[in-house]
Amino acid sequence: EAQVTQNPRYLITVTGKKLTVTCSQNMNHEYMSWYRQDPGLGLRQIYYSMNVEVTDKGDVPEGYKVSRKEKRNFPLILESPSPNQTSLYFCASSPLGGNREAFFGQGTRLTVV
Amino acid sequence: DAKTTQPNSMESNEEEPVHLPCNHSTISGTDYIHWYRQLPSQGPEYVIHGLTSNVNNRMASLAIAEDRKSSTLILHRATLRDAAVYYCILRDVGTGGFKTIFGAGTRLFVKA
Repeated sequence: EAQVTQNPRYLITVTGKKLTVTCSQNMNHEYMSWYRQDPGLGLRQIYYSMNVEVTDKGDVPEGYKVSRKEKRNFPLILESPSPNQTSLYFCASSPLGGNREAFFGQGTRLTVV
Repeated sequence: DAKTTQPNSMESNEEEPVHLPCNHSTISGTDYIHWYRQLPSQGPEYVIHGLTSNVNNRMASLAIAEDRKSSTLILHRATLRDAAVYYCILRDVGTGGFKTIFGAGTRLFVKA
């Protein structure tokens, strides 16, 4: 089954404790992306990657890092989480090309206290 | 980057057609128009996309204005399961859809 898998689904952590949210896709997609979703703000893009070792900033990259060492994985790293990063996070993947469907993970709800 | 504008919410009766509008006045010639929907507690899921011509699939129809500055997602017979937030976004065929920008979407309420 084609899918994008995020882990963990729920996470509560403390300010300043480094964490990683993993994202994996099994469709051999070149393009992967991370979004955060906050009430009233829709989905905002954090980072995206168009292929292995190719990453770029989205609209809200501050406080986040990503890496793309393998095609299937695109982890989101919070080096020093802060309460304003409390949010619902989604990973997405698609083939390259604006005419291709994107697939989203089920989301990771992160709370930073 | 081209942006889209949608109404915050719409309401429909079950079994009736629903027309969800989207304005994208700054669309470029290579932007595809995509629609996604997000059911409660789930990630967004693909609904339909098009470039210039109207499109139909098993979920919905997409009507694109001749000047491409607006589009309408049509759900032919709304069901309670269609209650969701619907997003209209633009993806560029030349660049792989990078910086895909979502707006706040339209929350669709379906009344039984």
